[in-house]
Parts: sequence; structure tokens; C-alpha cells
Amino acid sequence: AQSVTQLDSQVPVFEEAPVELRCNYSSSVSVYLFWYVQYPNQGLQLLLKYLSGSTLVESINGFEAEFNKSQTSFHLRKPSVHISDTAEYFCAVSETSGSRLTFGEGTQLTVNP
Amino acid sequence: NAGVTQTPKFRILKIGQSMTLQCTQDMNHNYMYWYRQDPGMGLKLIYYSVGAGITDKGEVPNGYNVSRSTTEDFPLRLELAAPSQTSVYFCASSIDRGYGYTFGSGTRLTVV
Repeated sequence: AQSVTQLDSQVPVFEEAPVELRCNYSSSVSVYLFWYVQYPNQGLQLLLKYLSGSTLVESINGFEAEFNKSQTSFHLRKPSVHISDTAEYFCAVSETSGSRLTFGEGTQLTVNP
Repeated sequence: NAGVTQTPKFRILKIGQSMTLQCTQDMNHNYMYWYRQDPGMGLKLIYYSVGAGITDKGEVPNGYNVSRSTTEDFPLRLELAAPSQTSVYFCASSIDRGYGYTFGSGTRLTVV
């Protein structure tokens, strides 16, 4: 079975500052990795995913995440955040042989002016 | 394209009552899932389905039941509601492994 640990429950930053949301996973088999974003009173939306190939994956709104197999990590980064990035972010993992996602506990990103 | 539709959006139940949370998707996805979200706990898988007629338990199935008679619909049944079932429930679907999920907007359930 796989598990996911998001190392920070809350991350406050100022607008235009860089941010990193940390995610570590545990699994004995090959995995797919995902980041989802949840805005208040909404469902989760897929932000980006790693399936195979290049270990650096990007989203359309400036976020990127790097798969590090040796450290079993998939940290999410953005070089300059906006107020509109304020949301809860969830890291998730699934085995490549299965479809079920296991989610981390979430990280609340708050961007202050 | 409506995606994943959940009804109702809000519901208050009394202890011991029963209800069905509805979920329907119009994307012809084979895989469907029910999660519950509690503050600080992330999302926990209740039940999932890999196709019509096939369902299986997730991490926290006790107190819930599901059925999948069609590709489109995946209702979640709560029997004998308990305060511990107060939560936000999300339905999701995916076309295959590795494609990520499409989530509904959720049902906020309170059991009093």
C-alpha cells in the first residue's frame, strides 16, 4: 500500500514570493504522482501529474513539480505567487497497476498582499 | 459537458436516518470513486468502481453502500446515519489509470 505525507499543513507567503509545498510518498512499487488544487467550497482540480519520462512537470499557471525517486518526493514549486493562488493543495499517489489515488492531508497556501 | 454532477449540495440528517448521495458523469468514464474529506485529514476513499456492475471497498467503507448499474451513475447510500459521518463527500471519475480524476463539487452532510 502507498502513503503520502505533506510536510506542511499551512504555508503563508507574500505575493510575488517563491513557494515550495513539500510532498513525500511511500510505495513498494512504481507510482504515478499528482498535485490537485481545491479552492474554497469547490471540488479538487488536477494541477499537474507525473507518469513517466521527464522528472520535471509543469502546469499551465506556472507551477512545477519534480519527481525525485531516490528521495521519494514530489515537491510543488512556483517562483512567484499571486493572491489568486490561495487555495488548498493536495499531493496524491497511485500505483501504476491501479487506479485508486491516495491523498495527503493537504497544504493550505495563503498568499498575502 | 457537465462533467461529474453531485446532488444534493447540502443535507442535514438526523441520527439513524438514511439517504442516498447521487453522482452522475457524462464523460463515459469507466472508473468512479467516492471520497470523504474531513478537515486536516485529506481525502479518504470509501468505495470505488472500475465499471458497471463492479464495485469494491476503499479505506473507510463501514456505514456506506454503493451500486453501479450504469456507466454514468454511482450512488452512495448511507444507512443509519451517525455523527461520525458528518463530512464533505466527493464523487470523482477517471477514464483510465494515470489520467487523474475529475471531481464533482461535493455534498456537505451534517448528521445531528
